[in-house]
Amino acid sequence: EAGVTQSPTHLIKTRGQQATLRCSPISGHTSVYWYQQALGLGLQFLLWYDEGEERNRGNFPPRFSGRQFPNYSSELNVNALELEDSALYLCASSPNPGGFNWGNQPQHFGDGTRLSIL
Amino acid sequence: QQQVKQSPQSLIVQKGGIPIINCAYENTAFDYFPWYQQFPGKGPALLIAIRPDVSEKKEGRFTISFNKSAKQFSLHIMDSQPGDSATYFCAASKPSYGKLTFGQGTILTVHP
Repeated sequence: EAGVTQSPTHLIKTRGQQATLRCSPISGHTSVYWYQQALGLGLQFLLWYDEGEERNRGNFPPRFSGRQFPNYSSELNVNALELEDSALYLCASSPNPGGFNWGNQPQHFGDGTRLSIL
Repeated sequence: QQQVKQSPQSLIVQKGGIPIINCAYENTAFDYFPWYQQFPGKGPALLIAIRPDVSEKKEGRFTISFNKSAKQFSLHIMDSQPGDSATYFCAASKPSYGKLTFGQGTILTVHP
């Protein structure tokens, strides 16, 4: 079974540009999550999408946005890039059977996109 | 209240030793506690997870101990191997939340 796949592996941008990162979840998973892993700051939650809807958002400015497509893949857009946006961006997916544990399922991560801002 | 505190920051053991990594949380609404292992250049891989209705869970050489009253949980790695050298993260979540709140990570080195 294929895992979570992310593209591109590396992305180099300059300040003020826009970046688009892509994620394909594990087959059968409907939820996609985005995290930022910056040096020294650990893993910080960005966004959660399920069934095409944004379900939760972390403490990041509005220039971080995304969407989920009907096939459950997702993209993360970062506008007006700043130097501190340099980080590894990780996507995770999970099934979501509903019920009490909706939004509380094992998350499986891809290997990330390394975004470097020059 | 949303924090998960992880210790130690780094840990060095000899092959065969039993490293123990500890995490503490404040939010009593958390009810899902996974541990992840991350190698350089890779994403975090889910190792083992526990929900608070049990006090211990074992999968292979990895064991989670959970103390609900103390709001603490820990990872034990039995018979550690040099291949276990990696960064380990604890995390916590709650229903309808989606978000995993991560500890700061522990860099484990297992010497041959």
